[in-house]
Amino acid sequence: DADVTQTPRNRITKTGKRIMLECSQTKGHDRMYWYRQDPGLGLRLIYYSFDVKDINKGEISDGYSVSRQAQAKFSLSLESAIPNQTALYFCATSDEDRTQPQHFGDGTRLSIL
Amino acid sequence: AQSVAQPEDQVNVAEGNPLTVKCTYSVSGNPYLFWYVQYPNRGLQFLLKYITGDNLVKGSYGFEAEFNKSQTSFHLKKPSALVSDSALYFCAVSFQGGKLIFGQGTELSVKP
Repeated sequence: DADVTQTPRNRITKTGKRIMLECSQTKGHDRMYWYRQDPGLGLRLIYYSFDVKDINKGEISDGYSVSRQAQAKFSLSLESAIPNQTALYFCATSDEDRTQPQHFGDGTRLSIL
Repeated sequence: AQSVAQPEDQVNVAEGNPLTVKCTYSVSGNPYLFWYVQYPNRGLQFLLKYITGDNLVKGSYGFEAEFNKSQTSFHLKKPSALVSDSALYFCAVSFQGGKLIFGQGTELSVKP
């Protein structure tokens, strides 16, 4: 089983709909992250959480919200989806040591029509 | 401000030839640098990192990277490319408690 699992893997929806992307991990890491990937822009940080009670905005948080339900679960919501939120979304985890790499899920491909 | 740049959108190499994927960075303080690889329909996989010490670091799948402080570069290299190395490569720098800033990505294409 994957250490970082994202659901769904693919989603097509319409403008204005509320969408939730889910992430769960078995790494036992306190830190979790949500990124979006767009061609030519690399990965950009949306939100991050250093523990269950610590949630922070990243570089591009407008239009998104998150919930850290447990150490192992971190979900990303689009309250009212718009077409320019069409992207590939990744969840990642890490431990407290910033010299250690982050571990990524396989991503959710989201298309908003 | 911290930043990472990958100046080449695409690198084309013949199988068996050496490959280089370039990365330059701008950080305050000591840089913690990472390389990740992304295969189609997969998440990013960690390849190698530079934290401190030897400027040449070795990683997975035969890859290595050379840290050059004076040129603020961290280029990814491999002596002999394989077709299976074809993928999207990302350079990243760690800052503020472990957050990563990524470069734009470089598409590596290795032809037989």
